[in-house]
Amino acid sequence: GAVVSQHPSWVICKSGTSVKIECRSLDFQATTMFWYRQFPKQSLMLMATSNEGSKATYEQGVEKDKFLINHASLTLSTLTVTSAHPEDSSFYICSVLGQGAPGPYEQYFGPGTRLTVT
Amino acid sequence: GDSVTQMEGPVTLSEEAFLTINCTYTATGYPSLFWYVQYPGEGLQLLLKATKADDKGSNKGFEATYRKETTSFHLEKGSVQVSDSAVYFCARGDGGGSYIPTFGRGTSLIVHP
Repeated sequence: GAVVSQHPSWVICKSGTSVKIECRSLDFQATTMFWYRQFPKQSLMLMATSNEGSKATYEQGVEKDKFLINHASLTLSTLTVTSAHPEDSSFYICSVLGQGAPGPYEQYFGPGTRLTVT
Repeated sequence: GDSVTQMEGPVTLSEEAFLTINCTYTATGYPSLFWYVQYPGEGLQLLLKATKADDKGSNKGFEATYRKETTSFHLEKGSVQVSDSAVYFCARGDGGGSYIPTFGRGTSLIVHP
């Protein structure tokens, strides 16, 4: 499967600061990437779909001004948590839409980033 | 709305025991079905998938059969190992070919030596 990296793997920040998380597709160019949030012992919640060269599509209930997504190249998407608060502490996972035969496409997931806001 | 329901965990087994993790889904149409595995501290990996009724997905000794009549996609393995300890997620993609799966809540599996 494709290799997807995330950086950093974990980060601790103070309340009110901003944090940027990077997601890189290492094996192929990815026009579409996804950002998920995972709470402890819970499933993944899709936050947004990141499309290269255009604005991200956010899921209902996700604040686009708080979670800024930039997909500036075919191998990199970034998620910036602005003015972070303790309730933003979570495990953030990105995924890349696989290439190949028509549906169902596979998603390849990054290893995740653990964000702790103090 | 459409959803995926998994049995609650944790499931605790001894090595070489038989594993079943139940998964049922609701959906209109004919969704594709997936099992993903998440090892501690890592992201999700696709374990297996099935795209139509009666298909059997298999990988690493794990199997799951797409049962349309019971809307189920139960995960099974005949003999688990300690290294299988992880969280397993059942997921559904809608019949329209959507590539964004809906995930179940995950089932934690703990295998003791």
